Amino acid sequence: SQKIEQNSEALNIQEGKTATLTCNYTNYSPAYLQWYRQDPGRGPVFLLLIRENEKEKRKERLKVTFDTTLKQSLFHITASQPADSATYLCALDRGDSSYKLIFGSGTRLLVRP
Amino acid sequence: NAGVTQTPKFQVLKTGQSMTLQCAQDMNHNSMYWYRQDPGMGLRLIYYSASEGTTDKGEVPNGYNVSRLNKREFSLRLESAAPSQTSVYFCASSEVTSGRDEQYFGPGTRLTVT
Repeated sequence: SQKIEQNSEALNIQEGKTATLTCNYTNYSPAYLQWYRQDPGRGPVFLLLIRENEKEKRKERLKVTFDTTLKQSLFHITASQPADSATYLCALDRGDSSYKLIFGSGTRLLVRP
Repeated sequence: NAGVTQTPKFQVLKTGQSMTLQCAQDMNHNSMYWYRQDPGMGLRLIYYSASEGTTDKGEVPNGYNVSRLNKREFSLRLESAAPSQTSVYFCASSEVTSGRDEQYFGPGTRLTVT
């Protein structure tokens, strides 16, 4: 069956360290993968998009990698800050003509000062 | 520029009652979506509208109906609410229905069905 997996356990790190979040998928062949941030009580906010033919994408302190062989995306936040504490969702297109996004359940990141 | 707005923010219904969740966007986007978010389940697509005048089912459409009233507005109706529909509902919009297009989300409606 088709599945997207993100670590359901919260990631707890010290301020200034690099946070690495994982998104694994099975039985999809997405052309695009997106990452969103969600704060408690709010809707998700788009952060980054990476295409299947891109290995890596950067935006300020954020970096995303996309390995279509491993069927995995890694999301890195360097020099993390307490303000980065939130839930991070990955989303991918199904790789079919529907072009709809499928979302993972998210990983909560806690950055300790 | 308000982005995506949703009303109401909170709602409590009794089993069997009906209600309509309203959504509007001011970004001139063609595509609009309704999702529900439950703990540990992620966002699941209920219905979407790729363009004005069209609507299609998502993953979990049972018990819901939608109306794309015009390009700006997309409403979600629960005809006979059930406790299983207790959830947080998000409306979203994007330029087009495409994996390469980012989606813009509203603040959500927290619905409890007793």
